[in-house]
Amino acid sequence: QVQVVESGGGVVQPGRSLRLSCAASGFTFSAYGIHWVRQAPGKGLEWVAVISYDGRTQHYVDSVKGRFTISRDNSKNTLYLQMNSLRAEDTAVYYCVKEGTPYSSSWYDYWGQGTLVTVSS
Amino acid sequence: EILLTQSPATLSLSPGDRATLSCRASLSVSNSMTWYQQKPGQAPRLLIYDASIRATGIPARFSGSGSGTDFTLTISSLEPEDFAFYYCQHRYDWPPTFGQGTRLEIK
Repeated sequence: QVQVVESGGGVVQPGRSLRLSCAASGFTFSAYGIHWVRQAPGKGLEWVAVISYDGRTQHYVDSVKGRFTISRDNSKNTLYLQMNSLRAEDTAVYYCVKEGTPYSSSWYDYWGQGTLVTVSS
Repeated sequence: EILLTQSPATLSLSPGDRATLSCRASLSVSNSMTWYQQKPGQAPRLLIYDASIRATGIPARFSGSGSGTDFTLTISSLEPEDFAFYYCQHRYDWPPTFGQGTRLEIK
């Protein structure tokens, strides 16, 4: 069955970097766009970034542009989020999310369980 | 950026009641509205996509309607497991923003 499993979260000081990974299985990874969505403690959902199925197109929320980079390795069925210059407001659970239709932008049909990133000195 | 406003912020109802949750967009998003349910400590779950299509495995008591700027999620008769947070999200353009959520609580 479809699984997306995030890893790489932890506690990091402001200004430092962290790389999240998302390992996917149970579907043709190279056919689907994948997103990162985050949720600060006790808050709502915030879309962060997306990468197209072939890795050619990325979009970011304004608050992370220039600091975060989304990438994927279709040979390893793995998604990444490189987070640089981290700020306290980046503290959140980060979810890896799969789109519902292949080769086109769509809703999200599978969510990982999330990985917690805490930015604190 | 298209803003989504959900109302009410909190809805207090009893099992068996009908729940009506609203989501209003600051600009037309056509029918590109999605609804998710989230329970504490869990990841969100897809309920409704393209405004009115139930996702696989979602009970028929959940229904979605609307187009343009005004959308509604209706739960016809609340079951105990339906008390949770509900979020709308558009995918009309970038960024695909979420509403701030509606908390559906037991009265």
